[in-house]
Amino acid sequence: AQSVTQLGSHVSVSEGALVLLRCNYSSSVPPYLFWYVQYPNQGLQLLLKYTSAATLVKGINGFEAEFKKSETSFHLTKPSAHMSDAAEYFCAVSLHTGGFKTIFGAGTRLFVKA
Amino acid sequence: GAVVSQHPSRVICKSGTSVKIECRSLDFQATTMFWYRQFPKQSLMLMATSNEGSKATYEQGVEKDKFLINHASLTLSTLTVTSAHPEDSSFYICSASSGQANTEAFFGQGTRLTVV
Repeated sequence: AQSVTQLGSHVSVSEGALVLLRCNYSSSVPPYLFWYVQYPNQGLQLLLKYTSAATLVKGINGFEAEFKKSETSFHLTKPSAHMSDAAEYFCAVSLHTGGFKTIFGAGTRLFVKA
Repeated sequence: GAVVSQHPSRVICKSGTSVKIECRSLDFQATTMFWYRQFPKQSLMLMATSNEGSKATYEQGVEKDKFLINHASLTLSTLTVTSAHPEDSSFYICSASSGQANTEAFFGQGTRLTVV
């Protein structure tokens, strides 16, 4: 069965600092991996996805993530945090064979300090 | 990307009544739809998977008689919360997949259910 572990329920960074949100996955077959962002009282917005092509994936709003099979990781990074990045971030995994049933990590709340 | 519309976005109902939430794929045929529930400050928990024309598959611990799911067409799935109680208050989100060239399921914007 596939699963996702997000390390750190809360991450706090200063504006302009590097953002690093950690995600490790478990899957018996090559997975599809996603990062979503959720602002308060809103739905999900897809930041980026890995679907077995390039291992370094670039997404919206300056975010990127690198798929590392040897480490079973898919960490999300952004070189310079902006106040508007403060939100909840979810790492997720899905399998094509499951009709893209998506399993979410517990989420990481990102705080950005001025 | 593909668009999934969820309606209503917010609903308040009285305890004991039933509420129906609709999930529509607007520009593709969704062979599979998923329903999630999200409690405040928590992650999305998969409730059930529905394939068009067949019975939904519920995750462990989800009451199928409480949360009725219908996927009668390739563009519409509905979730009915029956005899709602305050503890059913939550954020419900659907997603839809065509299972073909798309490499992901697409999410609706969610429905905030408040039972009073």
